[in-house]
Amino acid sequence: NAGVTQTPKFQVLKTGQSMTLQCAQDMNHEYMSWYRQDPGMGLRLIHYSVGAGITDQGEVPNGYNVSRSTTEDFPLRLLSAAPSQTSVYFCASSYNRSPYEQYFGPGTRLTVT
Amino acid sequence: LAKTTQPISMDSYEGQEVNITCSHNNIATNDYITWYQQFPSQGPRFIIQGYKTKVTNEVASLFIPADRKSSTLSLPRVSLSDTAVYYCLVAGNAGNMLTFGGGTRLMVKP
Repeated sequence: NAGVTQTPKFQVLKTGQSMTLQCAQDMNHEYMSWYRQDPGMGLRLIHYSVGAGITDQGEVPNGYNVSRSTTEDFPLRLLSAAPSQTSVYFCASSYNRSPYEQYFGPGTRLTVT
Repeated sequence: LAKTTQPISMDSYEGQEVNITCSHNNIATNDYITWYQQFPSQGPRFIIQGYKTKVTNEVASLFIPADRKSSTLSLPRVSLSDTAVYYCLVAGNAGNMLTFGGGTRLMVKP
């Protein structure tokens, strides 16, 4: 199993540009989520999904969109990038029956200039 | 979601046992206690989870007193590779949201 994969690893955007961060898992997990981690801080939940076709907002959803058309994929879209969105983004997945044991991807380091 | 409080940082030496305590005074009846480990430039990794008393796995032990208002992660005989940030989380089984606080930065010295 590849586990949770994220692409790209690094990305630099200009203010106002849009892009999509990709996340995929091959463990047939129902639950998937996106976090952001600012330097020296803990992780903050952006959006999550408990299954295909179902998404919900986390702590810091503004400026981000998600969709879940398949069990495997959970892309995160930045609508109009801002410098405040400079961060490391982590995707995670788990079984719904054990949402606390989440498997995290390697992260995407995003810089917005 | 119950708020957690844990020390910002701790230092230890190789071979010592390390205990990191987390306070969660307003934990709810349905809440579980979960600990994660994060190395620099990596995503967090699940370590252990418990509801009450003691849980042990190949990596750590988790001690939870009867009132469940705190918990202690115990790492036996730490090595340099245990240098990481350790997060204590409390979440109920009715929800799917994990809230990460600031964590405890553990530095293991030779």
